[in-house]
Amino acid sequence: SQTIHQWPATLVQPVGSPLSLECTVEGTSNPNLYWYRQAAGRGLQLLFYSVGIGQISSEVPQNLSASRPQDRQFILSSKKLLLSDSGFYLCAWSVWGGAPLHFGNGTRLTVT
Amino acid sequence: AQRVTQPEKLLSVFKGAPVELKCNYSYSGSPELFWYVQYSRQRLQLLLRHISRESIKGFTADLNKGETSFHLKKPFAQEEDSAMYYCALRGNNDMRFGAGTRLTVKP
Repeated sequence: SQTIHQWPATLVQPVGSPLSLECTVEGTSNPNLYWYRQAAGRGLQLLFYSVGIGQISSEVPQNLSASRPQDRQFILSSKKLLLSDSGFYLCAWSVWGGAPLHFGNGTRLTVT
Repeated sequence: AQRVTQPEKLLSVFKGAPVELKCNYSYSGSPELFWYVQYSRQRLQLLLRHISRESIKGFTADLNKGETSFHLKKPFAQEEDSAMYYCALRGNNDMRFGAGTRLTVKP
C-alpha cells in the first residue's frame, strides 16, 4: 500500500535561517506531488506542485522554493526564513488524472 | 481563474439536525470537485468526490453547474461529524481548496 512520510513534525527556526522540509512517498511510481500551507481562516494554499522529476510549478511567488530530486521525493526549501513563513505545511500526493490527494501529517513551522 | 469559496468559516448545529456546508466554485473548464475532512488530530482525508455520486458517512454532495455549487449535505448530523471540512477543485494538475468550514455538532 502507498504511504507518505513528512518530516519533521515540528520545527522552530530563527529568522534568516535556511529551511528544508522533506516528503517521500512509498508504494507508487511517478506520483503528482504537492506542497500546501494551511493557515487559520485562509484554508489550504497551494504552494508548489510537481508532475515529474525536476518539474516544479509555483503557484505563489514568495520566499520558498521546491525541488524534486527523485521520483518520490519532494523538498520544500528556503534560503532565509521570514516571520511570515510560519505556518503548517502539508505534503500530498496523487496519481495522475482526477485522483484525490493523500496528505502527510504536516510540519508545524515556527519562525522566531 | 480557478477559485473555491466556502462562505461559512464556522457552522454549529445540534445533533440530529440537518447540515449543509456551502461551496461555490469558478472554473472555465469541466470541474472536478471534492470534499475533504480533517477530524481532530487526524490527517486531512478525502470524504467524497462528485464523480462518484456516493454517500459517505451519510454525506452527499451534488454538483450544480448552473449555480456553480457543490454543497455538502447530511440530513441528520452526528457529534462525530464535528470536524474541519474543505471543498476542493481540481484543475489540470493542481488542486485548489476553499478556506474551510469548521462544523460543530452539539449534543
